[in-house]
Amino acid sequence: EAQVTQNPRYLITVTGKKLTVTCSQNMNHEYMSWYRQDPGLGLRQIYYSMNVEVTDKGDVPEGYKVSRKEKRNFPLILESPSPNQTSLYFCASSPGATNNEQFFGPGTRLTVL
Amino acid sequence: EDQVTQSPEALRLQEGESSSLNCSYTVSGLRGLFWYRQDPGKGPEFLFTLYSAGEEKEKERLKATLTKKESFLHITAPKPEDSATYLCAVQSGDYKLSFGAGTTVTVRA
Repeated sequence: EAQVTQNPRYLITVTGKKLTVTCSQNMNHEYMSWYRQDPGLGLRQIYYSMNVEVTDKGDVPEGYKVSRKEKRNFPLILESPSPNQTSLYFCASSPGATNNEQFFGPGTRLTVL
Repeated sequence: EDQVTQSPEALRLQEGESSSLNCSYTVSGLRGLFWYRQDPGKGPEFLFTLYSAGEEKEKERLKATLTKKESFLHITAPKPEDSATYLCAVQSGDYKLSFGAGTTVTVRA
């Protein structure tokens, strides 16, 4: 089954404790992206990657890191989480930057205390 | 900075009562405009891509249109299963994606 998976689905952590949210897709897609979704603000792009070893900042990259060492994986790293990073996070992938029909993962709900 | 504004924020419809959602945008070098549907607790689901002004796409009771400054999503004779939040997004020249805040549609039987 073609899908985007994220882990964990739910996470409660404390300020300053480094964490990684994994994202994996099995569709051989080139373009991958991370978003956060907050009430009233909609989806905001954090980082995107057009291919392996190519990453670019979205609208809200501060406090986040990403890497794209393999085509299928695109982990999101919070080096020192803060309460304002409490949010619902989505990973998405699409065949390519010019064919951007995105498939979204199920979401990760993160709470930073 | 690219901007996407959706209106109205919420729309309550009677089953069979057609209506339209609006998405107005400003973007540097539009590569594409996208519509997604999002159900509560789930990730968005792709509906349409529109690339140029005048383009139209249809899927069941939904029809999306595009002009140089806005897009409309028309819902014809909606059913309760069309209840969802509809999201509009634009892709700019540098392949960045910007989403609107969405329109939440509720269709009553």
